[in-house]
Amino acid sequence: GQSLEQPSEVTAVEGAIVQINCTYQTSGFYGLSWYQQHDGGAPTFLSYNALDGLEETGRFSSFLSRSDSYGYLLLQELQMKDSASYFCAVRHRIAGGKLIFGQGTELSVKP
Amino acid sequence: EAQVTQNPRYLITVTGKKLTVTCSQNMNHEYMSWYRQDPGLGLRQIYYSMNVEVTDKGDVPEGYKVSRKEKRNFPLILESPSPNQTSLYFCASTQTGTGISGANVLTFGAGSRLTVL
Repeated sequence: GQSLEQPSEVTAVEGAIVQINCTYQTSGFYGLSWYQQHDGGAPTFLSYNALDGLEETGRFSSFLSRSDSYGYLLLQELQMKDSASYFCAVRHRIAGGKLIFGQGTELSVKP
Repeated sequence: EAQVTQNPRYLITVTGKKLTVTCSQNMNHEYMSWYRQDPGLGLRQIYYSMNVEVTDKGDVPEGYKVSRKEKRNFPLILESPSPNQTSLYFCASTQTGTGISGANVLTFGAGSRLTVL
């Protein structure tokens, strides 16, 4: 089957750096995306990796290694407002409109 | 303002009573899709549409129907709701004309919380 695995919870302190991993057992997909969701609100797009390597957007960076079936989201200079759920997602290469999401990682930022 | 609008935001209904959750986007996006979110299960795709009159099943289509008669609207229909369809539902859209990456950058609606008794 096709699935993405993420840790269910991560805790870090304000100002720190945290890495949220995403491993997948999905063959044939277009890139890896990351979304943020606060308290059951609308998920919002954070980052996308079409190719292997690191993509940086402000305090957030995302990494993809297709050979290792692995990616991660890196959050730097953590702020309290970063407390949220984070989802990785891939788009199926054959069924191009089919998206698969991980189960989400709940990040708690402590003072 | 560019947005995806879902209605209703909250609904409590009873088993078997047909209901429709509407979804409308004002961004001229070709691609639209529906997801349900349940605790510990993340977002699971119900149906998606690559363009007008083109719809396909996602991972959990059972018990749901969709239609795409116009580009801006993509309603989700529950013909005979059951308690296991109690969930938080999200509609999302994206532009696909800009290449491979387009379908990964979704704009989500605010969500519709449905309870089936």
